Amino acid sequence: SAVISQKPSRDICQRGTSLTIQCQVDSQVTMMFWYRQQPGQSLTLIATANQGSEATYESGFVIDKFPISRPNLTFSTLTVSNMSPEDSSIYLCSVAQGYQETQYFGPGTRLLVL
Amino acid sequence: QKEVEQNSGPLSVPEGAIASLNCTYSDRGSQSFFWYRQYSGKSPELIMSIYSNGDKEDGRFTAQLNKASQYVSLLIRDSQPSDSATYLCAALWGKLQFGAGTQVVVTP
Repeated sequence: SAVISQKPSRDICQRGTSLTIQCQVDSQVTMMFWYRQQPGQSLTLIATANQGSEATYESGFVIDKFPISRPNLTFSTLTVSNMSPEDSSIYLCSVAQGYQETQYFGPGTRLLVL
Repeated sequence: QKEVEQNSGPLSVPEGAIASLNCTYSDRGSQSFFWYRQYSGKSPELIMSIYSNGDKEDGRFTAQLNKASQYVSLLIRDSQPSDSATYLCAALWGKLQFGAGTQVVVTP
């Protein structure tokens, strides 16, 4: 499976600011995904990021709040904009590989907004 | 609405016993099912995938799929304290839909 890294691993931010999270994969992948996992909750898909096209956002998530870039087949960024304490979560990127698009997750970015 | 249901637990299992986790799903359209393990403070790690009816074994783990009854299960044999984690069931319907997760606690 792909080796996935994320930066930063954790951050503490002030409300109203923005944070950009980077996701790097060691091999070329078509499909990358961004998830949010709020404390004590399961994973919620934010958007699907395919290279060469606009990200596809899930219901409840908008581009102005969570802009995504996908400049090539090994890299993506997610920005959390105008943050509020409700944005405190773990943000995870994943990639789909192999049979039946099995997804593998990066280590996550732990965000605390004060 | 496509949903995946799991008992949140915690499921307490004595060391050396079999842990049995169950998962049901709402829509027959999925052909792919996955079990992820998530340790506290860590990201989900894929432990099993299953696509056909029946059993699939990998080491101490066995996944079972019954499409007619729309359930997926995971058995962990010879449970160890290191198996203490939250286990997430997921089904693929275009996108991956996760259950809420079952917390497993293996007691020495």
